[in-house]
Amino acid sequence: RKEVEQDPGPFNVPEGATVAFNCTYSNSASQSFFWYRQDCRKEPKLLMSVYSSGNEDGRFTAQLNRASQYISLLIRDSKLSDSATYLCVVVPQGSYKLIFGSGTRLLVRP
Amino acid sequence: DAGVIQSPRHEVTEMGQEVTLRCKPISGHDYLFWYRQTMMRGLELLIYFNNNVPIDDSGMPEDRFSAKMPNASFSTLKIQPSEPRDSAVYFCASRAGAEGTGNTIYFGEGSWLTVV
Repeated sequence: RKEVEQDPGPFNVPEGATVAFNCTYSNSASQSFFWYRQDCRKEPKLLMSVYSSGNEDGRFTAQLNRASQYISLLIRDSKLSDSATYLCVVVPQGSYKLIFGSGTRLLVRP
Repeated sequence: DAGVIQSPRHEVTEMGQEVTLRCKPISGHDYLFWYRQTMMRGLELLIYFNNNVPIDDSGMPEDRFSAKMPNASFSTLKIQPSEPRDSAVYFCASRAGAEGTGNTIYFGEGSWLTVV
């Protein structure tokens, strides 16, 4: 079983739609969680951290469910510019290693 | 401020040749990571350094791969001999070493390697 699993998609949604991605992780001792965004042929960049209490940044909301070991990302009012691959990232306890999921591809159409 | 700088950006080489990828981390960052990305396997951590010392190299695929960090501003990833299955994008990343886990890691633009 992979340490971090994501649905590869693609999710094909119209502009203005709300879309949600989930990610599951296998190591219950994981301590930190992030969502990264990667555009085609570019490097990954931090989108947002994920906190136990949930956090919001504009149209983006991230949530963590430690009991079920999953992380979610909700994007409201999708824009064309949101089209990218979204990578779920987990950091094991006592480590500085970032473990990446394989990514979920989002396509926002006009 | 300059970000993580990698070279070369693109390289095409023949099977059996030695490949050396270079990375300059962000000044002041204590941690340096080498990742490899392929369509099949996604982003895989190969090795990471703290204060120039290799901490975890469990992701290095085999003896053909080696990584060094002779000083705080330079690291190399070497493949010798290279094989077609080594074709991938190799990313270098760095982060500051402050306590806690909220610090972001910053990626370079990647080195696109094709072995024919």
